[in-house]
Amino acid sequence: DQQVKQNSPSLSVQEGRISILNCDYTNSMFDYFLWYKKYPAEGPTFLISISSIKDKNEDGRFTVFLNKSAKHLSLHIVPSQPGDSAVYFCAATLTGNQFYFGTGTSLTVIP
Amino acid sequence: DTAVSQTPKYLVTQMGNDKSIKCEQNLGHDTMYWYKQDSKKFLKIMFSYNNKELIINETVPNRFSPKSPDKAHLNLHINSLELGDSAVYFCASSRQGAETQYFGPGTRLLVL
Repeated sequence: DQQVKQNSPSLSVQEGRISILNCDYTNSMFDYFLWYKKYPAEGPTFLISISSIKDKNEDGRFTVFLNKSAKHLSLHIVPSQPGDSAVYFCAATLTGNQFYFGTGTSLTVIP
Repeated sequence: DTAVSQTPKYLVTQMGNDKSIKCEQNLGHDTMYWYKQDSKKFLKIMFSYNNKELIINETVPNRFSPKSPDKAHLNLHINSLELGDSAVYFCASSRQGAETQYFGPGTRLLVL
């Protein structure tokens, strides 16, 4: 039972353009959502998060949007840079004890 | 100054063997986790543990057992390894109640 889904396994974007990574979830009780970035042969690293009581959180070039009615969140990266090329995991948690991850989207930023 | 470290990085072993993966964090966190990333890239939590509570994902076979000698360490013991155990195993830690986790680099386990 995959409660967090990332339906796009890969995405290619030109340098300087916007990257939009999408994530859907099924459990309306999730109260916190996170995005992690993963380089090959490394563990995921925390990127940005959002509480379920908000609909937007911004940190530099990264913005996460949450649409609770649609059970959908997205990560926007503007402008995209080649160093952003990585696998991005969406995650959701309920009370901070159980974490559910999507399968990841591999982003390639083309110089 | 590695925050979360795992050893070994790679582990190749035969079916039926018993093996352990070690995890250490120097962040002062009191909650640690083990995740399994399988061939389909699903990253699934196996255990979360603090000094008070062990939460086990009910889908994890009892051949897998976490052992915590102290707050900074959570080792994963696997008995009677099976082919399907081949995966990348990630350790993570966080402050209790915090949502942000810090991951180790992963241990790539291959069971032959």
